[in-house]
Amino acid sequence: EDKVVQSPLSLVVHEGDTVTLNCSYEVTNFRSLLWYKQEKKAPTFLFMLTSSGIEKKSGRLSSILDKKELFSILNITATQTGDSAIYLCAVEVFGAGGTSYGKLTFGQGTILTVHP
Amino acid sequence: KAGVTQTPRYLIKTRGQQVTLSCSPISGHRSVSWYQQTPGQGLQFLFEYFSETQRNKGNFPGRFSGRQFSNSRSEMNVSTLELGDSALYLCASSAGPLLAGGEQFFGPGTRLTVL
Repeated sequence: EDKVVQSPLSLVVHEGDTVTLNCSYEVTNFRSLLWYKQEKKAPTFLFMLTSSGIEKKSGRLSSILDKKELFSILNITATQTGDSAIYLCAVEVFGAGGTSYGKLTFGQGTILTVHP
Repeated sequence: KAGVTQTPRYLIKTRGQQVTLSCSPISGHRSVSWYQQTPGQGLQFLFEYFSETQRNKGNFPGRFSGRQFSNSRSEMNVSTLELGDSALYLCASSAGPLLAGGEQFFGPGTRLTVL
């Protein structure tokens, strides 16, 4: 069974700190790994990673994938209170016929709280 | 472009009843996936529909079913509700395979409470 594990499960930091969130996975037919941010209700897309070693960056957020060791990290530098959210890691696998069929396997999420 | 919409946003039912949730994808999106989110299990995949066909299904009992209409709108039905079905039900739509740029966009969810 496909498995995605995130750590830590929760994290409390102060504004300005840098945080690293971890995501490890055990799946068959890996296709991509995605990071989402969930604040109130709907998760919002952050990054999609498909290749090892290529960092994706968006402002203060960055992420990288290691397909050999089967993990990804999400870094947030100079954290702000608005970064407080649940960060979700999900893995997409190939289905029959080589398509993904819309199934994402999610980790438990990391609850990040940033204090002023 | 309007986002993914889900109705109703909140629902309270009693054990044994059935419920139908609705999801309208972003215009032009043909794939709709459904997820259940609970504090204990996190986000779990229920099923995915594309062009009115269910292409993928998660590990949920047969009480959970769905369908998709020709306009890509999708409904999810849960029969014989149990207390453990209390959850946030999210739907996500995409234009195509994720690698082709078909990112999944999530709706706000329906919060179902079973008493």
